[in-house]
Amino acid sequence: DIQMTQSPSSLSASVGDNVTITCRASQSMGDFLNWYQHRPGKAPELLIRGASSLHSGVPSRFSGSGAGTDFTLTISSLQPEDFAIYYCQQSFTTPPTFGRGTRLEIK
Amino acid sequence: QVQLVESGGDVVQPGRSLRLSCAASGFTLSWHGMHWIRQAPGKGLEWVAVIWHDGSKTDYADSVKGRFTISRDTSKNTLDLQINSLRVDDTAVYYCARDGQEGRPPYWFFDLWGRGTLVTVSS
Repeated sequence: DIQMTQSPSSLSASVGDNVTITCRASQSMGDFLNWYQHRPGKAPELLIRGASSLHSGVPSRFSGSGAGTDFTLTISSLQPEDFAIYYCQQSFTTPPTFGRGTRLEIK
Repeated sequence: QVQLVESGGDVVQPGRSLRLSCAASGFTLSWHGMHWIRQAPGKGLEWVAVIWHDGSKTDYADSVKGRFTISRDTSKNTLDLQINSLRVDDTAVYYCARDGQEGRPPYWFFDLWGRGTLVTVSS
């Protein structure tokens, strides 16, 4: 199975800040990398698919980049609703696997 | 409204069985591959099972193979997960999720999730 390593595991930031979360895969996987947001008590939501394609309805302050083994999720100008847990997930091989998550907290 | 709503979670003893259900609304479940994904307390997300969009194939994580069965009822637009021989390490929130590709075999990313249902296995 492909192992996905996310960093940092937690992050404190303020409204208006820019933040970057990284995800590293244990083997090269093209751009088969997806990002999700999970707010407490809510359903997880797809943010980005294929490393950089913004899912329908997702604000443009979210962006993704990377290919091969190294990927990043960037959130520009944090909004209050962005404080949540973020997960990366590979869809290159089965079984699909997730990173352990990055908890984004308000400073 | 396009949504998924899980139900059936409970507190059960090891070795018992449980059936989870996921009701889809706002879209036709049989147009998409459908998945179950779980998250144990303090752990990450773990993919559990998939059923192909046309119902022709299913697949499971090695950790649940032989104990879990995924199925669907197209007349009710529901997805089910039958869990047998429950173990303590099956304790988790179980999410159903829609595959992001319509009308084709799974693309293995998830564009719609439910809020989950909690299964607790304890004696």
